[in-house]
Amino acid sequence: DGGITQSPKYLFRKEGQNVTLSCEQNLNHDAMYWYRQDPGQGLRLIYYSQIVNDFQKGDIAEGYSVSREKKESFPLTVTSAQKNPTAFYLCASSMGPEQYFGPGTRLTVT
Amino acid sequence: DQQVKQNSPSLSVQEGRISILNCDYTNSMFDYFLWYKKYPAEGPTFLISISSIKDKNEDGRFTVFLNKSAKHLSLHIVPSQPGDSAVYFCAASAWGAGSYQLTFGKGTKLSVIP
Repeated sequence: DGGITQSPKYLFRKEGQNVTLSCEQNLNHDAMYWYRQDPGQGLRLIYYSQIVNDFQKGDIAEGYSVSREKKESFPLTVTSAQKNPTAFYLCASSMGPEQYFGPGTRLTVT
Repeated sequence: DQQVKQNSPSLSVQEGRISILNCDYTNSMFDYFLWYKKYPAEGPTFLISISSIKDKNEDGRFTVFLNKSAKHLSLHIVPSQPGDSAVYFCAASAWGAGSYQLTFGKGTKLSVIP
């Protein structure tokens, strides 16, 4: 059963702590993406990766970091430098222009 | 500067009638357009797409129309069903930096009234 998994569904952290969001796909897709969604907003691109060991900044990369050590995995770390980390985070993968999304992780930082 | 605009934040339609969701774009480099459906606290699901070389694509109750000269696309849902109630995102794709990049609109919340 192919798909994209994100864990956990809900995550709570104290301000000043780094937190890592998991994203795994078994679709054999080369490209993976991280987006952030805020209320009333569209999806904004944080980072993307076309191949293993390579990734590029998106429109709002400040305060975030990623790694791509395996084709299947693209974890996102929200660092303490991110000024407004509370949001809904979405991971996606693709082989072409159509991207397929995971269920998302709701991160709340207090 | 929004390159993809969905000017209607919300839309209400009676069950059985047609729902028309609109989207405008400004970047002529976009060559592929997609619609996604999203329920609260879930990831978007791909609905339908259209290449810039076509002006219409149909899949069951869903049809997407593209007017390149006006830089406008629309999604028609006929007939509308209560289960269609969700937020619909328009997205436009362009190839850049070794991958396809999607630019999303802010979404239109569709409510289908039984």
